[in-house]
Amino acid sequence: EDQVTQSPEALRLQEGESSSLNCSYTVSGLRGLFWYRQDPGKGPEFLFTLYSAGEEKEKERLKATLTKKESFLHITAPKPEDSATYLCAVQGEVFELVFGKGTKLTVNP
Amino acid sequence: NAGVTQTPKFQVLKTGQSMTLQCAQDMNHEYMSWYRQDPGMGLRLIHYSVGAGITDQGEVPNGYNVSRSTTEDFPLRLLSAAPSQTSVYFCASSPSGTGGWGEQFFGPGTRLTVL
Repeated sequence: EDQVTQSPEALRLQEGESSSLNCSYTVSGLRGLFWYRQDPGKGPEFLFTLYSAGEEKEKERLKATLTKKESFLHITAPKPEDSATYLCAVQGEVFELVFGKGTKLTVNP
Repeated sequence: NAGVTQTPKFQVLKTGQSMTLQCAQDMNHEYMSWYRQDPGMGLRLIHYSVGAGITDQGEVPNGYNVSRSTTEDFPLRLLSAAPSQTSVYFCASSPSGTGGWGEQFFGPGTRLTVL
């Protein structure tokens, strides 16, 4: 059974304090790993797709990396507007996506 | 483009009532899906469709029906509402092709309460 575990559950940072979120996964035949951002009261917003170990993607202050067992979402010099819940999902041999429970990030000014 | 739209935004039902959650997308996406999101549980797939006339069950399909008569619309029907169906429901669409399934565009959600 495909599984996704995200840590920590919650993270509080000061503005400018860089950190990383972790997504550990167990999947049969990884077809893709996906990162989403979700603001309170809204639907998730797609950020990145990673397909194979060693791959990296960047968008503004966010950088996603992938190994054979986990993915990291690195946040460099975060701003208060980066506060959100970040979701990780994997797609394996089974068609449906399996989502983690998310990491709630709060960036204080 | 309006993207993915969902109606209603909020709904309160009594146990045993039925209703349909509406979902529409204007991006000509082949794939559409319905999720529920509960505290501490993450997003769970209810039903999905890979094209008009084709639907399949996800992780938690019991108590829900779907149909896909057009590319644009993917309604979710609650047959006989139960308190366990209290949740936030999200509809999503994505383009077909490699990686397309995971690059989903989500609607704003419907918050459903069943009393």
